[in-house]
Amino acid sequence: QVQLVQSGAEVKKAGASVRLSCKLHPIDFSNYDINWVRQATGQGLEWLGWMNPFSGSPGYAPKFQGRLTMTRDTSKSTAYLELSSLRFDDTAVYYCARGPPPGELNYYCDHWGQGTLVTVSS
Amino acid sequence: SSELTQDPAVSVALGQTVEITCQGDSLRRYYASWYQKKTGQAPKLVIYGKNNRPSGIPDRISGSRSGNSASLTITGARAEDEADYYCHSRDSSGNYLVFGGGTKLTVL
Repeated sequence: QVQLVQSGAEVKKAGASVRLSCKLHPIDFSNYDINWVRQATGQGLEWLGWMNPFSGSPGYAPKFQGRLTMTRDTSKSTAYLELSSLRFDDTAVYYCARGPPPGELNYYCDHWGQGTLVTVSS
Repeated sequence: SSELTQDPAVSVALGQTVEITCQGDSLRRYYASWYQKKTGQAPKLVIYGKNNRPSGIPDRISGSRSGNSASLTITGARAEDEADYYCHSRDSSGNYLVFGGGTKLTVL
């Protein structure tokens, strides 16, 4: 059974940074993109970016370039998302999600983590 | 703003059929995937590719595409289908992913 296990809730001050983690089974970690998606209360789903499992190269949605960093620790089969210069509107539930098999043009995310609530306060 | 456009809300009578649509230029090239989202739960993939369902998704849920529009059809709507539905695809460049704004489905 595919599982993505995310780290716990975070409360941060505006202007600070937050680092979230997403742990997968080693086989999944090594062969599938990991995506990050968020949802603010009352808002829709928003794609933040992805990480290629083979190269470790990340790709970020244009809106987040400069503030977002995705990394990984292959020894722990864990992906990380770090968002800096936090603003109040970054308050949201952040999800990691597994992408399709390599080479699939028609993208989808078939398994999701449980979500991590990030609250940005003053 | 999203490159994929959805109607904000749709309603359907219990047992009837409803179609949720998604429009965007990238859909001429890529099939959309569809997710069901309920409050307090992670999104659940319900349709991907041409018309593929993950294990456990009933065949009364189906997907289609025509031109720059993708559709999710639910036949025999049940109370449990009440949720937000999001379409998802690559953007026009193919280098990024985008979600539609979501459609709130109410089952009457």
